[in-house]
Amino acid sequence: EPEVTQTPSHQVTQMGQEVILRCVPISNHLYFYWYRQILGQKVEFLVSFYNNEISEKSEIFDDQFSVERPDGSNFTLKIRSTKLEDSAMYFCASSERTNARGYTFGSGTRLTVV
Amino acid sequence: SQQGEEDPQALSIQEGENATMNCSYKTSINNLQWYRQNSGRGLVHLILIRSNEREKHSGRLRVTLDTSKKSSSLLITASRAADTASYFCATDETGGGNKLTFGTGTQLKVEL
Repeated sequence: EPEVTQTPSHQVTQMGQEVILRCVPISNHLYFYWYRQILGQKVEFLVSFYNNEISEKSEIFDDQFSVERPDGSNFTLKIRSTKLEDSAMYFCASSERTNARGYTFGSGTRLTVV
Repeated sequence: SQQGEEDPQALSIQEGENATMNCSYKTSINNLQWYRQNSGRGLVHLILIRSNEREKHSGRLRVTLDTSKKSSSLLITASRAADTASYFCATDETGGGNKLTFGTGTQLKVEL
C-alpha cells in the first residue's frame, strides 16, 4: 500500500536554529498538508498546498514557517528560528483531489527544541 | 464545546467487548473521518462517512453520523488488545477548504 514517508523521524535542534522537515507524499495525490501535535494536545492544521502554492494556512502558520515542493516528489516544511514551543510531532499528509477517501498521513517527525 | 470533541476521553474494556466512542462537532461538514493513533506514532485513516450517509461499516468498525445532532459514533466490535490506541474524529468542514479539524480523541485501552 502506498505510504507517505517523513524524514527524519526525530530531530533535536537548538533554539533559534532553522529546521527542515521532509516528506514524500503519495505520487498520484494532488493535495499536501502539514499538521502538528503538541504532546497531549489535538492535532492541528498548519497548511495545505495544491498546484505548487499554499491553498490555506492556519493562524499558527506565520512568517516563521514556509513550505516548498522543490521537485516532483518532496514536500518540505521549514521552520526558521525555532522556539521551545515549536516542539511537537509534525505530520505530513496527502490526499487525492476530492479528499473522498481521507488523508494518508506519514508517521511523523518528532521535533524537540532545546 | 469545540469542533470535534470526543467522549469519553478514556475508555478501558476487556478483550472481546465492544467499544463505542462519540464525536460532536459544530459546523456543516462534507464528511467526517475517524483516525487511529498508536502511542507516539502516525495517524491511520480508518473510515470516512459522507454527510449524506447515516451508517457505514468496515470490518469490525461501524460508524454512524447524525447531521441533525452534529454527532458521530465509532463502534469497534469484538475488541482486541491490538485495538489499544487513541481514536480521533476529524471533520472536513463545508467551505473549510480541504483541511481537517480534529477532535480531542478517545484513549482506548483493551485489556486481556
